[in-house]
Amino acid sequence: EDQVTQSPEALRLQEGESSSLNCSYTVSGLRGLFWYRQDPGKGPEFLFTLYSAGEEKEKERLKATLTKKESFLHITAPKPEDSATYLCAVRLISSGSARQLTFGSGTQLTVLP
Amino acid sequence: DTAVSQTPKYLVTQMGNDKSIKCEQNLGHDTMYWYKQDSKKFLKIMFSYNNKELIINETVPNRFSPKSPDKAHLNLHINSLELGDSAVYFCASSQPGQGKANEQFFGPGTRLTVL
Repeated sequence: EDQVTQSPEALRLQEGESSSLNCSYTVSGLRGLFWYRQDPGKGPEFLFTLYSAGEEKEKERLKATLTKKESFLHITAPKPEDSATYLCAVRLISSGSARQLTFGSGTQLTVLP
Repeated sequence: DTAVSQTPKYLVTQMGNDKSIKCEQNLGHDTMYWYKQDSKKFLKIMFSYNNKELIINETVPNRFSPKSPDKAHLNLHINSLELGDSAVYFCASSQPGQGKANEQFFGPGTRLTVL
């Protein structure tokens, strides 16, 4: 069965304290892996797409990496405004024209000033 | 210049009622989706529409009926609401492209509370 697991469930960091969020996946065929940010009361906001092992993408303090089994979202010197829930999702080759995403349960990040 | 919009944002109703949630996207995308987010923040696909045609219906009760009057709109009608339908419902859209996984853009969500 296809599975996406995120860890930790919750993470509290001091401002400036770098860390990483993990997304491990067990899927039959990966079309792409996505990272989203979700603020309370809002819809998920797209951050990155990764397609193949070894790929990396960066945006401000965030850097996403991908291996054959997992993805990491590295947060360098976070600020309080980085506090949000970070969601990982995969699109499977088997999804075909439906193109639906399979989501993990998210990591709730809190950055304290 | 909202990309994906939903109405209403909040919906409070009694068990047994019928209600609708509307979604519109101005991105020119061909594919639209409905997702359900439960109290544990887990997002799960309900429906996928491509060019007004239903592609998938993921183990969703018959009480849920999506309707796509045109490519830019995907509405969700729910009959005989139950307590377990309480959740946040998100609409999303994406544009297929060859060889790409194609990111999805989400609306702000509709929080449905069934009393």
